Amino acid sequence: GAGVSQTPSNKVTEKGKYVELRCDPISGHTALYWYRQSLGQGPEFLIYFQGTGAADDSGLPNDRFFAVRPEGSVSTLKIQRTERGDSAVYLCASSVGGNTEAFFGQGTRLTVV
Amino acid sequence: GENVEQHPSTLSVQEGDSAVIKCTYSDSASNYFPWYKQELGKRPQLIIDIRSNVGEKKDQRIAVTLNKTAKHFSLHITETQPEDSAVYFCAALGFGDKLIFGTGTRLQVFP
Repeated sequence: GAGVSQTPSNKVTEKGKYVELRCDPISGHTALYWYRQSLGQGPEFLIYFQGTGAADDSGLPNDRFFAVRPEGSVSTLKIQRTERGDSAVYLCASSVGGNTEAFFGQGTRLTVV
Repeated sequence: GENVEQHPSTLSVQEGDSAVIKCTYSDSASNYFPWYKQELGKRPQLIIDIRSNVGEKKDQRIAVTLNKTAKHFSLHITETQPEDSAVYFCAALGFGDKLIFGTGTRLQVFP
């Protein structure tokens, strides 16, 4: 595709439910990042993939959060037993790797009620 | 862990004046420093970046300087215009290609 695509754009879920957020990176981009952005804050690093493997998952806040990228392209961020504090915009970015520009998707706004 | 600090958090300038935003980073292995602009409700977009082998880079009204010894870098916007109003984020790419962002600067340019 022309850019990084994230679906859904908005997700409202009840506390305790499970959600999946999807990211389609730019074709050929081997590096993929997930960030969480709360209102008025900078993107908070969650996890970084290089190809299919998670090169760094040190930003995942706890074991309710998990992400996969099984074929080195599309990635899914999974959140179990959602809490109200998980409400934020979840951003995905991709790049060709190394010290090159990371392109962002439009984000998924998650609201836990 | 890795950290990027950004100042100021808000900045108001008159149209035509210059704006400067400063960042410091903690990971001495960092070698790439992009700056992103984020308008309300939109995705962050790259406006300029600098790699560790240069000390300064300029693109029209925007320039970035890097001091690796002090581990800080700055964004300079000259001749500001109302459309420059947005939130600006600095970032640093460190060990293992981990891209860490600052907390952002909300720039307001008054006509």
